[in-house]
Amino acid sequence: GAGVSQSPSNKVTEKGKDVELRCDPISGHTALYWYRQSLGQGLEFLIYFQGNSAPDKSGLPSDRFSAERTGGSVSTLTIQRTQQEDSAVYLCASSFYLQETQYFGPGTRLLVL
Amino acid sequence: TQLLEQSPQFLSIQEGENLTVYCNSSSVFSSLQWYRQEPGEGPVLLVTVVTGGEVKKLKRLTFQFGDARKDSSLHITAAQPGDTGLYLCAGGRDYKLSFGAGTTVTVRA
Repeated sequence: GAGVSQSPSNKVTEKGKDVELRCDPISGHTALYWYRQSLGQGLEFLIYFQGNSAPDKSGLPSDRFSAERTGGSVSTLTIQRTQQEDSAVYLCASSFYLQETQYFGPGTRLLVL
Repeated sequence: TQLLEQSPQFLSIQEGENLTVYCNSSSVFSSLQWYRQEPGEGPVLLVTVVTGGEVKKLKRLTFQFGDARKDSSLHITAAQPGDTGLYLCAGGRDYKLSFGAGTTVTVRA
């Protein structure tokens, strides 16, 4: 596609439920990044992938968060047993190579009731 | 704790006025980027500065990177309503971008 796409665009869930957020990077981009944007705060780095590998998972807020990438393309961010503090906009970005310009998707707005 | 501090947090000005947004840190970055984000969309890259003291101009926008590569400023001349948005600075170190909290700019017609 022309740009990074994310789905769903909005997600409302109940506390305790699991959610999956999907990111389709720009075709040919080898690096993929997940960020979280909370109201009034900057983007918080969560995890990055180089190919299908995630060398640094230290940004994930807790063990309820996990992410995977398959085929060097689509990535899924999973949040288990969601909590109200997980409510935020989850942004995905991709770049041709690591340390190159990151292009962001429109984000998934997650609301945990 | 925010690695990058942006000021002011909010800025509302009249069309035609000038504005400056600041981005400060105690850390040194290999590069510094400015993004603009509009409601419901992801951030869009405006510029990347990599050399201490570097000044880049993008039409009415002027970006400056501090000599020590710890701070940056964004100056908009003769602001227009289309400049309205959330301006984010981000410092690059290896693969990771650290973002400031952003400055919400509103330009009134």
